[in-house]
Amino acid sequence: GENVEQHPSTLSVQEGDSAVIKCTYSDSASNYFPWYKQELGKGPQLIIDIRSNVGEKKDQRIAVTLNKTAKHFSLHITETQPEDSAVYFCAAGFTGANSKLTFGKGITLSVRP
Amino acid sequence: KAGVTQTPRYLIKTRGQQVTLSCSPISGHRSVSWYQQTPGQGLQFLFEYFSETQRNKGNFPGRFSGRQFSNSRSEMNVSTLELGDSALYLCASSLDDSAPLHFGNGTRLTVT
Repeated sequence: GENVEQHPSTLSVQEGDSAVIKCTYSDSASNYFPWYKQELGKGPQLIIDIRSNVGEKKDQRIAVTLNKTAKHFSLHITETQPEDSAVYFCAAGFTGANSKLTFGKGITLSVRP
Repeated sequence: KAGVTQTPRYLIKTRGQQVTLSCSPISGHRSVSWYQQTPGQGLQFLFEYFSETQRNKGNFPGRFSGRQFSNSRSEMNVSTLELGDSALYLCASSLDDSAPLHFGNGTRLTVT
């Protein structure tokens, strides 16, 4: 089955700096790669996603890049703010009739004011 | 539009009991998935339902079951509870086969 590794497990950045979180996956058939943000006491919230036919996607301060050959994808957050502090999960898998996502273990991002 | 609603938010049960968790998807969403979240194992897929049919199942014992009703609402049941079943159970819904998952805030189950 699919295996998703997420590195590093914690990340601390200064407000205004950029943060990069990397994930690798094992199943080359996976075609969908979302990123979720989870705040304390809440469920994961989708922040951006990318499909296997696209190499990069951007939404304001957030961007995701996908390298299918190397089987890794990364989340980039620019101009970080204290409210970006949360646990971030990457996932890989499929949508549709075989819908199933395999999640990484999560990374705790701390943005220092 | 209301998000995914899970009830109850918290549950405390004793070993050997059974429990039923409820999920109301976003209006119009037909696919409902369930995930278990623990500090050690992270988020793990339980099962996915679409139009009342289970289409996919994760690697959990048969004590974990679910169902989906004609209005897309879903329930999951855990029988013969074990201490290791203590977790946050998350429900997620999606509009259709190509749409992203939207999670609820979960039900926190504690087994004593």
